[in-house]
Amino acid sequence: DGGITQSPKYLFRKEGQNVTLSCEQNLNHDAMYWYRQDPGQGLRLIYYSQIVNDFQKGDIAEGYSVSREKKESFPLTVTSAQKNPTAFYLCASSMDHPRADGYTFGSGTRLTVV
Amino acid sequence: AQSVTQLGSHVSVSEGALVLLRCNYSSSVPPYLFWYVQYPNQGLQLLLKYTTGATLVKGINGFEAEFKKSETSFHLTKPSAHMSDAAEYFCAVSEDNDMRFGAGTRLTVKP
Repeated sequence: DGGITQSPKYLFRKEGQNVTLSCEQNLNHDAMYWYRQDPGQGLRLIYYSQIVNDFQKGDIAEGYSVSREKKESFPLTVTSAQKNPTAFYLCASSMDHPRADGYTFGSGTRLTVV
Repeated sequence: AQSVTQLGSHVSVSEGALVLLRCNYSSSVPPYLFWYVQYPNQGLQLLLKYTTGATLVKGINGFEAEFKKSETSFHLTKPSAHMSDAAEYFCAVSEDNDMRFGAGTRLTVKP
């Protein structure tokens, strides 16, 4: 079955560490996205990529980095510069614009700072 | 730029009662509108969408929504709530290269 796989499901980070969240899709979608979800705040866009080797900052990119070396993969690194990284992170993908089909989401990674 | 407002962060209904979740949007061009559902510790799943054509859109699990341009609304309804409908619901609007989500409405279904 086609879909998006996020791993790990739960991740714990110590202060000052970088951690990388994995996102892989086999839907042959061109565009991929990373969102951060906090209670009562909906989804906030971190980064998105519309094509391999190209990506754009979203609304809250500070303290995060991404790469898009393959169409199927869009990993997110949460760096030590992100002061409040505890959140639920969602990866999504879509066909090229216009985005009339909506997004397909992964099942998320819950990151906790310990 | 487009935006979405969901009225009511929490809605509680009895099993069998009507479900009404409210969504208003702003967009400078004809929008694409979506409703997603999220169960605990899971990703979002598409319930239904409006792109063009018929303004009453039917989705999965018995949900439907009506696009009302004059009211800039896209409210989600279900005639009879089921316990399994308890979840968080997000309205979203897509315009050009971006999709904006509302803050979400948590639906509780009482037995």
